[in-house]
Amino acid sequence: QVQLQESGPGLVKPSETLSLTCTVSGGSVSDNYWSWIRQPPGKGLEWIGYIYYSGNTKYNPSLKSRVTISVDTSKNQFSLKLISVIAADTAVYYCARVVPAVLGYHFDYWGQGTLVTVSS
Amino acid sequence: SYELTQPPSVSVSPGQTARITCSADALPRQYASWYQQKPGQAPVLVIYKDTERPSGIPERFSGSSSGTTVTLTISGVQAEDEADYYCQSADSSGTYVVFGGGTKLTVL
Repeated sequence: QVQLQESGPGLVKPSETLSLTCTVSGGSVSDNYWSWIRQPPGKGLEWIGYIYYSGNTKYNPSLKSRVTISVDTSKNQFSLKLISVIAADTAVYYCARVVPAVLGYHFDYWGQGTLVTVSS
Repeated sequence: SYELTQPPSVSVSPGQTARITCSADALPRQYASWYQQKPGQAPVLVIYKDTERPSGIPERFSGSSSGTTVTLTISGVQAEDEADYYCQSADSSGTYVVFGGGTKLTVL
């Protein structure tokens, strides 16, 4: 059974960088695609981006200029960095495993989520 | 930008059938998935590739596709099915992932 666990600061100041890590257990980051998804309080889900262990990435065009997703196969982790954060970046951030198909993707395993608040 | 459209809310009585729709221009070329999310919990995959059900998901959950609309059907709705449901797909190029706005299912 694959398990994912997000970790990182719960409070980030405006204009600073949000950094989160997702630790994968019960599976290898080298075997799949991995993604970050966020959910502002009381709102819907927003895809941030995904990465393959080789380093190939795709990002949501609305966030692309501020986002970097990376993978560390030695630690079986992948990470999210979001620069120049604003209050609208306040959200629960989820990491998830991506299952690609010829015609689309789905997310079969999710972390429990971590709330990140952007505030001074 | 590419969007998936869901009704904001659906209400049904216990034992009845709930149908939640999701529509967009690219759906005929990209698979859709559905997620159930209960308050304070992470989303759970209930349908993928339009009609496939993951192991452990009750048989009362089913998916269908017709043209530019996909539908999540919950037959014999139970109180525990009350949750938010999100559809998810990709743009027509298959590059970018997108979620629908979510539908709140209320069991009366």
